[in-house]
Amino acid sequence: QVQLQESGPGLVKPSETLSLTCNVSGWPISSSDYYWSWIRQSPGKGLEWIGNVHYSGAAFYKPSLKSRVTMSVDTPRNQFSLKLSSVTVADTAVYYCARREPSGSYFGYWGQGILVTVSA
Amino acid sequence: DIQMTQSPSTLSASVGDRVTIACRASQSIHEWVAWYQHKPGKAPKLLIYEASIVASGVTSRFSGSGSGTEFTLTISSLQPDDFATYYCQTYDTYLAFGQGTKVEVK
Repeated sequence: QVQLQESGPGLVKPSETLSLTCNVSGWPISSSDYYWSWIRQSPGKGLEWIGNVHYSGAAFYKPSLKSRVTMSVDTPRNQFSLKLSSVTVADTAVYYCARREPSGSYFGYWGQGILVTVSA
Repeated sequence: DIQMTQSPSTLSASVGDRVTIACRASQSIHEWVAWYQHKPGKAPKLLIYEASIVASGVTSRFSGSGSGTEFTLTISSLQPDDFATYYCQTYDTYLAFGQGTKVEVK
C-alpha cells in the first residue's frame, strides 16, 4: 500500500534553512498524474498547505511562502523534499507530506508528520 | 482567500450516537470539499471527497453531503475507533482547511 514517511532535523535555528525529505513507498513518484505535497500545522493552529511538486520539476507554492520555499523530487530514490529558508519561530510546526490526487487538490495519502521546532 | 469554518470545535458523544459535523465556506465552492480523520501521531486519513464520495476502503458509517457553502460529515453510529479530530478542506480555486472538530468521549 502507499506509505509516506517524513524525515529530517527536529530542531532548526532561526534564519537557517529547514530541510525535510519524504520517502514514498508502494507507488512510483514518477507517476505522471500525481503531485506530491507538503502541509504543516503550527501549534494550536489549523492545517496550512505549503505547496505541490511534480516529478517533472513543476512546482506550485502558497503565495505567502513562495519566496522561501523550494520543493524537488528525487525520482531514483522515490523521494521528494522541502526546503524552507530564513525560518522564524512562526515556522515551528508539524510538517506532513502527502500525495495529491489527480481528480482534485485533495490528499489521498499522508505521512504521520514530523515536528520541527525553530529555536536558538 | 476562502475561509472554512467548522462547528462545533469539540463534540462529546457516546458509542452508537449519530454524529454530524458542519463546515461552512466563506463563498461558494460547489462540491469541492474533502473530509479527513486525524488521530494523534498518525497520518491523516481521507474519508470523503467531492463532498459526498466515500474514499476507497472507508467504512460506510461515514457520509458527506452539501454543496455551495454548507457541508456536513455524518457518522451514522459512532464506534470506538472514530474518536478523533476531523477536518474539512476545500480545493476550489483556493486550498484551505477548517480548524478541526474533535470528537471525544462523553
